[in-house]
Order: sequence, then C-alpha cells, then structure tokens
Amino acid sequence: GQNIDQPTEMTATEGAIVQINCTYQTSGFNGLFWYQQHAGEAPTFLSYNVLDGLEEKGRFSSFLSRSKGYSYLLLKELQMKDSASYLCAVFDSNYQLIWGAGTKLIIKP
Amino acid sequence: ETGVTQTPRHLVMGMTNKKSLKCEQHLGHNAMYWYKQSAKKPLELMFVYSLEERVENNSVPSRFSPECPNSSHLFLHLHTLQPEDSALYLCASSQVSGSGANVLTFGAGSRLTVL
Repeated sequence: GQNIDQPTEMTATEGAIVQINCTYQTSGFNGLFWYQQHAGEAPTFLSYNVLDGLEEKGRFSSFLSRSKGYSYLLLKELQMKDSASYLCAVFDSNYQLIWGAGTKLIIKP
Repeated sequence: ETGVTQTPRHLVMGMTNKKSLKCEQHLGHNAMYWYKQSAKKPLELMFVYSLEERVENNSVPSRFSPECPNSSHLFLHLHTLQPEDSALYLCASSQVSGSGANVLTFGAGSRLTVL
C-alpha cells in the first residue's frame, strides 16, 4: 500500500530552527507538496519539490531525496504564528495525491 | 470574495436530517474536490470534478451525494449520516493542465457534527 509518515507533533522555541521530516512509500513519484494549516483554517500551499535538492523560500526551505523517499521542511527564525499543522503530500504515478496525517508544530516563547 | 469559500462553517445535524454543504471558487479553476479531514488522519479524497464531470468517487457511502452545477460551484448533499461522519469537510479547487501536478487551493472547511 501507499504510505506517508511524518511525526504527529513537534515542539520548538521562538527564534529557533525546526525540521519536519516526511518519508513516503508510493507507487511512483510525480512531486511532493508541503501545506500549512492553522487551526480552523484552510490548508495553504508552501512548497513543491519534484527534483532532488533544496528549495528555499524566505524562512522556509524544503528538501527532497527521491532515492531515499524522504523530504523535510525546514523553518528558520521561528515565530509564534508558525504554530500550525504541516501536511506532506505526494503525487504518485497516476497523479493521485497521497497525504500524510500532518505534523502539529507548537512554538513556545 | 476571493479564493475558495465554504458555507456553512459549522453544522450540527441529527442522523435523520438532510443538509447541504456549499463551496464556491473565484479562481477560474477547472477542477473541484471534496475532502474529509478527521483528527490525526490523512486527508481522504471523496469526490473530484474536472470540467464539471465527476472523475473519481473513492467508494464514498451513498449518504454523501455531490453536485457540481458549474465550474465555480460544488455542493455536498448529506442524508441520514452516522456519528462517525463527524469531521471537517474541505473543498478545494485547482487548475488541471496536461502535466498533471497541480496546486490545490482549499477553503476553510465546514465542521460537521452528527448527533
């Protein structure tokens, strides 16, 4: 079966750096997405990786290794507003979007 | 209004009620989706409409009935639901092109509680 694993919950300190990991086992690969979802709000698009390497976008970066079936989302200079759930999703060979259960990130002052 | 709008934001219904969830997208996208989001579980795709035709129905119980009258509007009609159907129902839209991979824009969801 197809599966995406990410930690259920993480805690970090304001101003620090945190890395949220995502590992996947899917039938084929056509790209990996990260979405952010604040409590009670819509998931919003953060990043899309289809080639290996690091994509940087301001304080957020996303890394992909297709050979390892692995991605991470790196958040720098954490702010209280970064407290949210982070969803990892993979397009498989049929362009079906397979979702992880999400990682709840708690930022402490 | 911009983006994807869902109404109502909250709904409480009994198991014998009939209600509908509404979604409207103002992005000019050609595909719309219904997802179910339960706590600590992955998003579950329920229905996909592309160019107003349903292209996927992932074995969703018949008590959920989708309707897509045009490319901007999507409904989910609810009938004789079960308590386990209580969840957040998310609507999304996207612009599907030949390359396949596309970014979803979500609404804020309708929180459904079935008593």
